[in-house]
Amino acid sequence: GAGVSQSPSNKVTEKGKDVELRCDPISGHTALYWYRQSLGQGLEFLIYFQGNSAPDKSGLPSDRFSAERTGGSVSTLTIQRTQQEDSAVYLCASSLTSGPYNEQFFGPGTRLTVL
Amino acid sequence: AQKITQTQPGMFVQEKEAVTLDCTYDTSDPSYGLFWYKQPSSGEMIFLIYQGSYDQQNATEGRYSLNFQKARKSANLVISASQLGDSAMYFCAMRERDGTSYGKLTFGQGTILTVHP
Repeated sequence: GAGVSQSPSNKVTEKGKDVELRCDPISGHTALYWYRQSLGQGLEFLIYFQGNSAPDKSGLPSDRFSAERTGGSVSTLTIQRTQQEDSAVYLCASSLTSGPYNEQFFGPGTRLTVL
Repeated sequence: AQKITQTQPGMFVQEKEAVTLDCTYDTSDPSYGLFWYKQPSSGEMIFLIYQGSYDQQNATEGRYSLNFQKARKSANLVISASQLGDSAMYFCAMRERDGTSYGKLTFGQGTILTVHP
């Protein structure tokens, strides 16, 4: 049992470029979540997947943000035309199911810096 | 209104003493889960303890216990016998029904705990 893994661990990019962040959940976990942690905003929910579908995308801040999950496993969060306000730590989590009583296990995060 | 409120931005405790970190929550859903996570300076989020809304007894996990007062909508974390390694940011979080599913965690702003030797 490996935990949740994320790559890259750090990403520095220039304003206007696109970035892709990857999350590999714990094997067998059907639910996958993306959060963003920044100094001013705390921990914000972005999107959640149950299997390959995304029942809740309400936290995506703009249409520059998108995410997909394939094979009920790996997920990719894509940010197009990055802006400086996108700088944050992007955290991925997974849980066995999406019920209320299942804890979410977090990955180490990707620190994104937009210059 | 804030769903999760942590009123203590910072707390200090002496090594080996007990400390209580406060958390209040707001929901109209009768079925929900409450969680505490620890985030050391390394940045990883570590799950500590969970309390379900229908649980009759307070949750305990080693030195961690959750003082669940449902009527007051509070879910305070108690750490007994503090250790230097307990110094970290602590987040209270809630999971409630959203439509037909339970998805996201909603987090409080966090409390920074510093344990003094």
